[in-house]
Amino acid sequence: LAKTTQPISMDSYEGQEVNITCSHNNIATNDYITWYQQFPSQGPRFIIQGYKTKVTNEVASLFIPADRKSSTLSLPRVSLSDTAVYYCLVGDSNSGGYQKVTFGTGTKLQVIP
Amino acid sequence: NAGVTQTPKFRVLKTGQSMTLLCAQDMNHEYMYWYRQDPGMGLRLIHYSVGEGTTAKGEVPDGYNVSRLKKQNFLLGLESAAPSQTSVYFCASSIDRNTEAFFGQGTRLTVV
Repeated sequence: LAKTTQPISMDSYEGQEVNITCSHNNIATNDYITWYQQFPSQGPRFIIQGYKTKVTNEVASLFIPADRKSSTLSLPRVSLSDTAVYYCLVGDSNSGGYQKVTFGTGTKLQVIP
Repeated sequence: NAGVTQTPKFRVLKTGQSMTLLCAQDMNHEYMYWYRQDPGMGLRLIHYSVGEGTTAKGEVPDGYNVSRLKKQNFLLGLESAAPSQTSVYFCASSIDRNTEAFFGQGTRLTVV
């Protein structure tokens, strides 16, 4: 079972770059790594997804080393509106062949003025 | 394009009552999921479905049942509500397990 481990919380000042690392030692060959953002009283929202190396979009970058046992979400120049919980997800498979997405504990990012 | 819609948004139940939460998606997604989120906690998977007519158990399936009679709908049932089922319930859908999942706005359920 591919579980993920993230820091429980992080603080950052506005304008700084924030890096959140997720550990997923048992990631399977076909699994992708996906990050979501969740604001209070809302459903999670997709941020970025990757399989290996580096992926960048207009919101964030995702760094994945060659062994894929961890990944790092990078948020450039955070603002107060980036205060949220960030979840790292890894695809999971069961004996029946069906796949499901399992959330980790999440990292609560607090951006300070 | 509504995305994922959950009904109802709020509900208060008495212990022992039953209810059904409805999730509807208009994106023709194969995969659908039901999660619960307790205060200060992450999301835990209750049940999921990989296509019409299929369902499977997630991490915390006890006390819940689900049905996927139509591809666009995923129903979550509580047969006999308990205070421990007080939570916020989120539904999500995706094309498959390796693509972006779209979440509904959640259903806040209180069991007294």
